[in-house]
Amino acid sequence: DAGITQSPRHKVTETGTPVTLRCHQTENHRYMYWYRQDPGHGLRLIHYSYGVKDTDKGEVSDGYSVSRSKTEDFLLTLESATSSQTSVYFCAISESNPTSGGTETQYFGPGTRLLVL
Amino acid sequence: GENVEQHPSTLSVQEGDSAVIKCTYSDSASNYFPWYKQELGKGPQLIIDIRSNVGEKKDQRIAVTLNKTAKHFSLHITETQPEDSAVYFCAAKWSNYQLIWGAGTKLIIKP
Repeated sequence: DAGITQSPRHKVTETGTPVTLRCHQTENHRYMYWYRQDPGHGLRLIHYSYGVKDTDKGEVSDGYSVSRSKTEDFLLTLESATSSQTSVYFCAISESNPTSGGTETQYFGPGTRLLVL
Repeated sequence: GENVEQHPSTLSVQEGDSAVIKCTYSDSASNYFPWYKQELGKGPQLIIDIRSNVGEKKDQRIAVTLNKTAKHFSLHITETQPEDSAVYFCAAKWSNYQLIWGAGTKLIIKP
């Protein structure tokens, strides 16, 4: 298994409160991703990072922010949680493919189940 | 942008039979197509992938085929076993750093 941990693994919070999820990797991979997984939608990209302090938005970034101050850590913050952000959140990592360019295989963490009441 | 459609959403097959899951993509520039398996309570895990310069790839009971002209690719599992029960996701590479994902197929293996 890729060395990826997510914390917390489960969280219940109330609408309007801030929430921070952490992804930690021991693989020294350059690229890190945050996805949310909801029934019928598969995996949807929230934000991704291509290096320390280098981040970009994915398709469902509204209401979320990220930070990456170290290679090994990628934080996802819900500034003011809403019920629509109840979901399972997955972190993934990837490394550059020097032959094909860009990245390909993504390795996933175990997920964080978030319930916003 | 890229869009990936996956069918069926649920597939039930008898143990020992074959299972086929199909995906179509929209961006002809996509050149990398992975398949992931997700077991209950876990993150997705890569099981096989294919690049656009080949038409088929096999790994034991699992195979993936790619038709670039029609822009579709399929996962084939032969001699299905109970441990094949899971949710399977296809994806297509879009831009250098992103994968666009299908909605998933729940595969049920009946004893």
